[in-house]
Amino acid sequence: SQQGEEDPQALSIQEGENATMNCSYKTSINNLQWYRQNSGRGLVHLILIRSNEREKHSGRLRVTLDTSKKSSSLLITASRAADTASYFCATVPSGNTPLVFGKGTRLSVIA
Amino acid sequence: EAQVTQNPRYLITVTGKKLTVTCSQNMNHEYMSWYRQDPGLGLRQIYYSMNVEVTDKGDVPEGYKVSRKEKRNFPLILESPSPNQTSLYFCASTQGIGTYEQYFGPGTRLTVT
Repeated sequence: SQQGEEDPQALSIQEGENATMNCSYKTSINNLQWYRQNSGRGLVHLILIRSNEREKHSGRLRVTLDTSKKSSSLLITASRAADTASYFCATVPSGNTPLVFGKGTRLSVIA
Repeated sequence: EAQVTQNPRYLITVTGKKLTVTCSQNMNHEYMSWYRQDPGLGLRQIYYSMNVEVTDKGDVPEGYKVSRKEKRNFPLILESPSPNQTSLYFCASTQGIGTYEQYFGPGTRLTVT
């Protein structure tokens, strides 16, 4: 059962621009995580934000969480061609249950 | 180096021929899981294991088996593969269910003809 839904499905921007991806989910959560996947390869964890946090930063990444709207956003600032990848949000529903992934946003950064 | 390894990375097989995809992690993680990734469907969990000898079904367990006899290994078994199991498979491990990041293997691309 997929809980996270990323928006947009695909995004194309110029190098140096900011990229924003959104994730909406349905039930209450313990935490929300963002992962990155280069084409055909394994996913790599980017950042985890807990349900009692509203914003978190890691390098050029900024994640926000609005539990009242059941949504999160991932902002990549000053994008680079190397940021081209698919980005997935994954939610941990409240309770001791496994991570649930969305379908991802495909980001293309054009040099 | 902390890692999750999978073998084989690529496999082409025929319908009905039993196969096993191995998964091993060197981080002493208790929790391991298998996902399949298909275009337009994202990642779907097949099975997961919270510890040795403890396994549970994910969202799409039909046609798959797993075992967890040792903490580091979590093989995925397809007893009678069918073409609808053609997919990209990922093994993942984590220190604790839901509260920690997951580490993913490099993936196994399986084609069943």
